[in-house]
Amino acid sequence: DSGVTQTPKHLITATGQRVTLRCSPRSGDLSVYWYQQSLDQGLQFLIQYYNGEERAKGNILERFSAQQFPDLHSELNLSSLELGDSALYFCASSGTGAGGNEKLFFGSGTQLSVL
Amino acid sequence: QKEVEQDPGPLSVPEGAIVSLNCTYSNSAFQYFMWYRQYSRKGPELLMYTYSSGNKEDGRFTAQVDKSSKYISLFIRDSQPSDSATYLCAPSNNAGNMLTFGGGTRLMVKP
Repeated sequence: DSGVTQTPKHLITATGQRVTLRCSPRSGDLSVYWYQQSLDQGLQFLIQYYNGEERAKGNILERFSAQQFPDLHSELNLSSLELGDSALYFCASSGTGAGGNEKLFFGSGTQLSVL
Repeated sequence: QKEVEQDPGPLSVPEGAIVSLNCTYSNSAFQYFMWYRQYSRKGPELLMYTYSSGNKEDGRFTAQVDKSSKYISLFIRDSQPSDSATYLCAPSNNAGNMLTFGGGTRLMVKP
């Protein structure tokens, strides 16, 4: 168990809908990351937060947004969903997110299916 | 061309075999080189980490980095069925922890 909790584990929804994915980082970790994993694109970095502030942004669509709350949990909001958004969404956490050698701890992911 | 490339496999070997997993990258700024292991329907977990060029050994696992050719390898000795997983290489620079993952190589170790 990595200590990172993601809910829900599975989510089935329809095109055009909006969903929220939730992540609780390991105790003491200040930085949260969101990744999307699909068969054709692999593991893609979406966005990183550190202590409530956005630190880095990757290949995140404008339809997607995220935030990190004062208690350090994070939510990833996906709106106007398309079939191509179906993927496994991972949250990871690390202590500070400042070093290239810092270890990331991944949750078990949320499997999103858009029908 | 992707920034980090891996042969997707699957790579199927008999139990006890020596496994070689490879990764190439294009960004010469990468200084930290990590290997993550991902079991089916689970999140990736860090397996090995090396800094700059050279070798690092941890039990049955050896990570090797050749920065001059931008080539990363992970060797597994005496492979076990429990090693069956997808192996992701993830180089990064010192500017932060935005790991760039390779597509992963799926390994199957048959008893």
